Amino acid sequence: QQPVQSPQAVILREGEDAVINCSSSKALYSVHWYRQKHGEAPVFLMILLKGGEQMRHEKISASFNEKKQQSSLYLTASQLSYSGTYFCGTGIGGTSYGKLTFGQGTILTVHP
Amino acid sequence: EAGVTQFPSHSVIEKGQTVTLRCDPISGHDNLYWYRRVMGKEIKFLLHFVKESKQDESGMPNNRFLAERTGGTYSTLKVQPAELEDSGVYFCASSQGTFTDTQYFGPGTRLTVL
Repeated sequence: QQPVQSPQAVILREGEDAVINCSSSKALYSVHWYRQKHGEAPVFLMILLKGGEQMRHEKISASFNEKKQQSSLYLTASQLSYSGTYFCGTGIGGTSYGKLTFGQGTILTVHP
Repeated sequence: EAGVTQFPSHSVIEKGQTVTLRCDPISGHDNLYWYRRVMGKEIKFLLHFVKESKQDESGMPNNRFLAERTGGTYSTLKVQPAELEDSGVYFCASSQGTFTDTQYFGPGTRLTVL
């Protein structure tokens, strides 16, 4: 069963903040965040692991709540380049190995 | 370091025809994945290779799809015969390890079946 992302879409002005959530009904081992721009490859942002720490890359950070099986991606002081579709991919480990199950995506649009 | 490459970038075929997609992973990556995104829907897992062996092919839709990975290097995904519902973007990704390693995605092949 695929994770659920919220919101489905968000529109921001440059400099504003946003939070994207990813919730799963399954016990997760890892959460992978990607951003995809139209017609391009999904670009890896960060990975959150069970028992791991909150991750940060420049002004983008993410957390993983193991009790709730939920991850959140925080975009601070958004830039025009942040526009795109954000996907979370979840891994449950075990015999699923590296298989990722993706959410439906969150479309982020940043205006000047 | 070169990224994951896929060929062709676009393919338009008629229902009933055969199409073969190719993926070249990042050099040294033992793990290779195929995913598919049908328009408006989520990215869905198709299968996972470790070197030349199929580790998990639970996402393959049916026996019209055949994936191979020659010598643990590049991989091909053949659809024969293609149906309308096979249209979508087919992504390939590769990683060094499995559970905790980053999967690097290629740009995808957009397949349109008419």
